[in-house]
Amino acid sequence: GAGVSQTPSNKVTEKGKYVELRCDPISGHTALYWYRQSLGQGPEFLIYFQGTGAADDSGLPNDRFFAVRPEGSVSTLKIQRTERGDSAVYLCASSLNRQQQQFFGPGTRLTVL
Amino acid sequence: DQQVKQNSPSLSVQEGRISILNCDYTNSMFDYFLWYKKYPAEGPTFLISISSIKDKNEDGRFTVFLNKSAKHLSLHIVPSQPGDSAVYFCAASGGEGGSEKLVFGKGTKLTVNP
Repeated sequence: GAGVSQTPSNKVTEKGKYVELRCDPISGHTALYWYRQSLGQGPEFLIYFQGTGAADDSGLPNDRFFAVRPEGSVSTLKIQRTERGDSAVYLCASSLNRQQQQFFGPGTRLTVL
Repeated sequence: DQQVKQNSPSLSVQEGRISILNCDYTNSMFDYFLWYKKYPAEGPTFLISISSIKDKNEDGRFTVFLNKSAKHLSLHIVPSQPGDSAVYFCAASGGEGGSEKLVFGKGTKLTVNP
């Protein structure tokens, strides 16, 4: 079956703009995660959804970042007033009902000019 | 404060030899450890994992060893193949409150030379 998909694959925006990044998890996976990977670093946790609710949003860096998963499937990561420091690859992962193995999508590379 | 550390940014080995990738962690609450492999422009791919109740897990050419007293784990690949060339990330979960999130190291770039 299909894996985790993320759109767009690349996004270039200007400082101060608003962006939305989309994640389609593996069908039937109830847990969904967002991570951010900066150059030369490992992925860093942002937020975790179990179903429709955010079970852990402790990794969101500030209130410019917000994520939703209204129907318990597709998730959207929203970034307001983007800054150059937000430039990174944003990775989405899903897992089946809290199992530890997380399956990652290919990521969205965000560049803020 | 890096809770998961991979101190070797890169490793180069000859095809057919053993590759050993190391990882150290500081949070004694971690109870599950994973290795992910990442090719350029792709997301990380799960490779192998180990629970804290075990000290070894083997899957084909890949073996992970866990030394809880030293807070150290290693991934052994034998024999190494050119297709194994990738960045390998060590990750841990289960911190305070049994957190589901994965905490990653910075990665080690493995190059297997033909």
